[in-house]
Amino acid sequence: GDSVTQTEGPVTVSESESLIINCTYSATSIAYPNLFWYVRYPGEGLQLLLKVITAGQKGSSRGFEATYNKETTSFHLQKASVQESDSAVYYCALGDLPSNTNKVVFGTGTRLQVLP
Amino acid sequence: DPKIIQKPKYLVAVTGSEKILICEQYLGHNAMYWYRQSAKKPLEFMFSYSYQKLMDNQTASSRFQPQSSKKNHLDLQITALKPDDSATYFCASSQDSLGGENTLYFGAGTRLSVL
Repeated sequence: GDSVTQTEGPVTVSESESLIINCTYSATSIAYPNLFWYVRYPGEGLQLLLKVITAGQKGSSRGFEATYNKETTSFHLQKASVQESDSAVYYCALGDLPSNTNKVVFGTGTRLQVLP
Repeated sequence: DPKIIQKPKYLVAVTGSEKILICEQYLGHNAMYWYRQSAKKPLEFMFSYSYQKLMDNQTASSRFQPQSSKKNHLDLQITALKPDDSATYFCASSQDSLGGENTLYFGAGTRLSVL
């Protein structure tokens, strides 16, 4: 079936260090996968961080970026210099474009803790 | 202010009982969803609704019943609760249900513990 595998957390980094959270996907029933990163800050719901719907393209937001790599079926999240406010849970997700149900497949989430 | 309100935030229930999880969205969206996340498992799709009609159901058990009294409400009734039902339940919405690129907006979740 369709699935997403991401770095098992928690991931702990110090402020101003670089970050990479790995994400790979399997889209067996989805003809045109589109990829997302969602973030959940403490006490809040998940919110979209970035999305890419075309293979080979890069998405970016708030200093984070991820490139949709169809050959390696990966969508790793990177940031050059993290801040304490980036501490949150990050979810990689896979959607079906086009789709008549908007069912999105999520990973387990990766908890990131940034130390001051 | 949160645009998707879930109540309660925390819920403790005994095995065999019944509970209702409340969800209201104030984004003017036409589609609503329920997702669930158990410990160390992926965030799992349960249901999708569009204009108060069921679009997709990925939940094997009939113990889980969504209830939509208004377009911006999608409650989740869970009967005959089991310890395995312990999870955080997230309500979400999107502008429309068509097209897998629709951005999902989530509530903060209801954490359910079944003893």
